[in-house]
Amino acid sequence: DIQMTQSPSSLSASVGDRVTLTCRASQSISGYLNWYQQKPGKAPKLLIYAASNLQSGVPSRFSGSGSGTDFTLTISSLQPEDFATYYCQQSYSPSTWTFGQGTRVEIK
Amino acid sequence: EVQLVESGGGLVQPGGSLRLSCTASGFSFMSYPMSWVRQAPGKRLEWVSAISGSGGSTHYADSVKGRFTISRDNSKNTLYLQMNSLRAEDTAIYYCAKVDSVGVPEVSYAAYWGQGTLVTVSS
Repeated sequence: DIQMTQSPSSLSASVGDRVTLTCRASQSISGYLNWYQQKPGKAPKLLIYAASNLQSGVPSRFSGSGSGTDFTLTISSLQPEDFATYYCQQSYSPSTWTFGQGTRVEIK
Repeated sequence: EVQLVESGGGLVQPGGSLRLSCTASGFSFMSYPMSWVRQAPGKRLEWVSAISGSGGSTHYADSVKGRFTISRDNSKNTLYLQMNSLRAEDTAIYYCAKVDSVGVPEVSYAAYWGQGTLVTVSS
């Protein structure tokens, strides 16, 4: 099974900061990587699909990059509404998904 | 507008059964694979099961294989998850999700999720 590991597990940042979250796969997954944002009590929200494609309606301050085993999600200028937990998810394994453990972004 | 509404969650004793439903609207339901994803309290998201648009192909996580059954009724725009032999570790919020894909080969993802339904397994 493909394992997904995110780092850090949590981080504290201020409004306006540039934030980079990392996701590593246990084997190469090419570009089969998606990023979600989840706020407490809410369903996940798709931010980035296929490693670098911004989902419609998602602010352009969010961007994704990477291929193979290492991926990043960058928030160029953190906004108050961005404080949440972020999950990466691989879809390389046919018809099965694996999520990372999440990175919680908190207010400094 | 795409909408997914889950129902059927509740409190059940260990070893019991429960059937979850997810009613879809706003898209051609039969044309899309669907998935169930769960989240135990304070834990990460965990993919549970997926089904093709026709219902002819199904997939399960090892943690639920042999106990859970995914199905769909395209005439009713409804997705189901039959859960048998429930365990305490199945306690979670269960989300249904519409599966989209892009590219060749296809990258699948979930752009639409329901609000979730809580399943609690406890005596």
